[in-house]
Amino acid sequence: QVQLKESGPVLVQASETLSLTCTVSGFSLTNYGVIWVRQPPGKGLEWMGIIWRNGNTDYNSALKSRLSINRDTSKSQVFLKMNSLQTDDTAIYYCTRVPPNYYSSYIPFDYWGQGVMVTVSS
Amino acid sequence: DVVLTQTPPTLSATIGQSVSISCRSSQSLLHSNGNTYLNWLLQRPGQPPQLLIYLVSRLESGVPNRFSGSGSGTDFTLKISGVEAEDLGVYYCVQSTHAPYTFGAGTKLELK
Repeated sequence: QVQLKESGPVLVQASETLSLTCTVSGFSLTNYGVIWVRQPPGKGLEWMGIIWRNGNTDYNSALKSRLSINRDTSKSQVFLKMNSLQTDDTAIYYCTRVPPNYYSSYIPFDYWGQGVMVTVSS
Repeated sequence: DVVLTQTPPTLSATIGQSVSISCRSSQSLLHSNGNTYLNWLLQRPGQPPQLLIYLVSRLESGVPNRFSGSGSGTDFTLKISGVEAEDLGVYYCVQSTHAPYTFGAGTKLELK
């Protein structure tokens, strides 16, 4: 059974670093990429970045200087770190999965975590 | 980065009405492998997004066939043939052809 679950602090101080974990089950991180997506209250979805099945990463251009995504395949965990937080980083943070584009049974974004609401306090 | 423009931003419909949402891309979403990686998600209030359609027109398992997707290149459409109450929420197109992937701004479907 495929599952993704986000975890991390719900309250962070401005200027500090956010650390979130996406723990997955039912599939291998060496077969799927994992994407982080965030959603400020009342607003749309923002693609933050991805760690591909081979461990390479791509980031949203607007967040690239503050964001890093890593993983521990043995623990089936993907980690997000974002520094220099500001109040407009307050959002629900989700993780979801995507297969490589060359998969014959390509179905992206088919499973999502429930999200973790992070509030950045000034 | 690819920009996806969704219209309209808000859609008011009655139950049973058919509606369409447009998603236009700033560049072609046709991949060099011949596939077009344009997908549609629905986010109901208080829920994470869920996949409705992938690869332009393929229906995700369990999604009712009143949903359909079409388009090519830079212009894509999601159609709901006979809106039901459970369809209310915000619809997003998302492209997975070019990294970084990008979302449209969303279309909110409301009851009239």
